[in-house]
Amino acid sequence: DAGITQSPRHKVTETGTPVTLRCHQTENHRYMYWYRQDPGHGLRLIHYSYGVKDTDKGEVSDGYSVSRSKTEDFLLTLESATSSQTSVYFCAISESKGTPSSGANVLTFGAGSRLTVL
Amino acid sequence: KQEVTQIPAALSVPEGENLVLNCSFTDSAIYNLQWFRQDPGKGLTSLLLIQSSQREQTSGRLNASLDKSSGRSTLYIAASQPGDSATYLCAGSMDSNYQLIWGAGTKLIIKP
Repeated sequence: DAGITQSPRHKVTETGTPVTLRCHQTENHRYMYWYRQDPGHGLRLIHYSYGVKDTDKGEVSDGYSVSRSKTEDFLLTLESATSSQTSVYFCAISESKGTPSSGANVLTFGAGSRLTVL
Repeated sequence: KQEVTQIPAALSVPEGENLVLNCSFTDSAIYNLQWFRQDPGKGLTSLLLIQSSQREQTSGRLNASLDKSSGRSTLYIAASQPGDSATYLCAGSMDSNYQLIWGAGTKLIIKP
C-alpha cells in the first residue's frame, strides 16, 4: 500500500456519533475515492474527488460527506453513524494509463478502515 | 442498472492446475475493465487493465480477456500456486469517467 495511508485502521463507535476517516497520499495523484465493501457486494463508491475542493457523489453517498482541502488528504465523515454504516472502507487513488480519451485509470488502494457502529 | 456477476463465488483447486475465473456484465457496453486481487485484511491490488481499444492483457501467468459483444471477461491463471490464493474482483466502467462497477469477487484457494 505504498503511497496511501488510511487512519484509523479500526474503529468501534456508537450509533449517532460522528466519525471521520482519513486518507493520505504521497503520490500527488489528482483523483481520490472512498469505497465501502460489504459481504456479498462488490465495492460501492461513496464519494470521489478530482481535485482540491472538487468532489462528487458516488453510488451510496447518503449519510456521508467528504472534504479535500489539500491534494494529499481526502476525509470521509459520517455525521451521525448508523449500524448500516458498519463496513470496511477503502480509499483509492488513480493515475492515468493510456491516452486521456481512453479514460483508463489504474486504481491503487489503501489497506482499509474497519468501522463498527454499535 | 449495470450489474456484475462473478462465477464461481468460490473455487478450490490443487496446485499446478490452470483455471478460469469469469465476470459478466448485464450491459455489454463496457468501456474498460480491470481485474484486482484482494488478500485477507488487505486492500486491493490491480492485476490487469483492459483499455477501451484492447481485448486482452497478459502479465506473467495471468491473462485477461474481454468480449465486448457479450459483456464477459475471463481471467486465466496458468500453473496455479498456493500464493495465488486470494479473492479476485473484476470492475468495469461504462464510459470514460472514473467510476467503476464491481463484481462481488471469486474466492480462490490453491491447495499445496
